[in-house]
Amino acid sequence: DQQVKQNSPSLSVQEGRISILNCDYTNSMFDYFLWYKKYPAEGPTFLISISSIKDKNEDGRFTVFLNKSAKHLSLHIVPSQPGDSAVYFCAASEIGNEKLTFGTGTRLTIIP
Amino acid sequence: KAGVTQTPRYLIKTRGQQVTLSCSPISGHRSVSWYQQTPGQGLQFLFEYFSETQRNKGNFPGRFSGRQFSNSRSEMNVSTLELGDSALYLCASSLQAGGVNTQYFGPGTRLTVL
Repeated sequence: DQQVKQNSPSLSVQEGRISILNCDYTNSMFDYFLWYKKYPAEGPTFLISISSIKDKNEDGRFTVFLNKSAKHLSLHIVPSQPGDSAVYFCAASEIGNEKLTFGTGTRLTIIP
Repeated sequence: KAGVTQTPRYLIKTRGQQVTLSCSPISGHRSVSWYQQTPGQGLQFLFEYFSETQRNKGNFPGRFSGRQFSNSRSEMNVSTLELGDSALYLCASSLQAGGVNTQYFGPGTRLTVL
């Protein structure tokens, strides 16, 4: 049972444009959401997070939006840069519980 | 501040053997979690330790075990290795100061079972 889904396995975006990565979840108990960036053979790098009491969180070029009623979150990267090319994972947890449930990842390729 | 470190980075074992992986969390972090990443199953939660106690466990067989020491360092052990245990094993640590806790990952140990 895939509780966190990233339906787009890959995404290509022109350098300088906006990258939008999407994530859906089914477990209504999840109340903390994170985005990680990952290169092959390395550990995931934390990018940004959001708790369910907010619907938007920004950090530099990265913004995460949360739509609780739709059980949907998205990561916006503006402007996209070549160094952003990587696999992006969304993850979800219940506050107070360290177990992260990950999506299957989206491979983002930024085209120069 | 140094990040999460994992040793060894690469390991080759044969079926039936056992293996021990080590993780040192970020200084001050008290919670350590372990994950397995495979092409077929993605990133799967193994277990989490806090104050030397296992607090949470994923859906893995008993061959997978772990422990945490008083300095928060953690080890995981896999006994009677199977080919399907070949994976990237990731350790993550968090502050566990109450409320929201972000997990920070180490570089992983690549285990190959022949």
